[in-house]
Amino acid sequence: DAGITQSPRHKVTETGTPVTLRCHQTENHRYMYWYRQDPGHGLRLIHYSYGVKDTDKGEVSDGYSVSRSKTEDFLLTLESATSSQTSVYFCAISQTGNNEQYFGPGTRLTVT
Amino acid sequence: AQSVTQLGSHVSVSEGALVLLRCNYSSSVPPYLFWYVQYPNQGLQLLLKYTSAATLVKGINGFEAEFKKSETSFHLTKPSAHMSDAAEYFCAVSEGTDKLIFGTGTRLQVFP
Repeated sequence: DAGITQSPRHKVTETGTPVTLRCHQTENHRYMYWYRQDPGHGLRLIHYSYGVKDTDKGEVSDGYSVSRSKTEDFLLTLESATSSQTSVYFCAISQTGNNEQYFGPGTRLTVT
Repeated sequence: AQSVTQLGSHVSVSEGALVLLRCNYSSSVPPYLFWYVQYPNQGLQLLLKYTSAATLVKGINGFEAEFKKSETSFHLTKPSAHMSDAAEYFCAVSEGTDKLIFGTGTRLQVFP
């Protein structure tokens, strides 16, 4: 299994509070991705990174920001959480952007 | 932009029966194609991938998929379903050089 961890694994937070999710890899892969998974929508890309300090938006980036200061870490921040951001968040990594991705175990976030 | 359509959000089969999960993509240019499986409360695992070599691709757990350019399809099959195959299955297609686009998923139920 690819070495990908996500923290925390579960979080409950209140509307309006900031939240940061962390993805850590030990594979030295160039690309890292954040997705959210919701029933009926499959996986939707939030943001991705193609190198240290190089990031780009996905299809559902509003309300989210990311940072990548080291190859191994990719942070997803919800500046002011809303109930619509209640979801399961997955991190993924890839050596080349258009080839297979390896997924972390997910973080279940509930915004009350 | 690429898109992926998975026909049928739920598929039910009896144990021992043929499994057929459908996936169609939108590009006229043969992309890279993938099938992933997700067991409850886990991340996605790669089942198989097509990268323009053989059109019939064999994956793990007895699954295979056939790339048909004329039909823009990449359907997933398994000759004989097992109870352990019950999971959600996602088809994905490469988008440019940086990312994958995922379908909305098909939940497979296997009845004894």
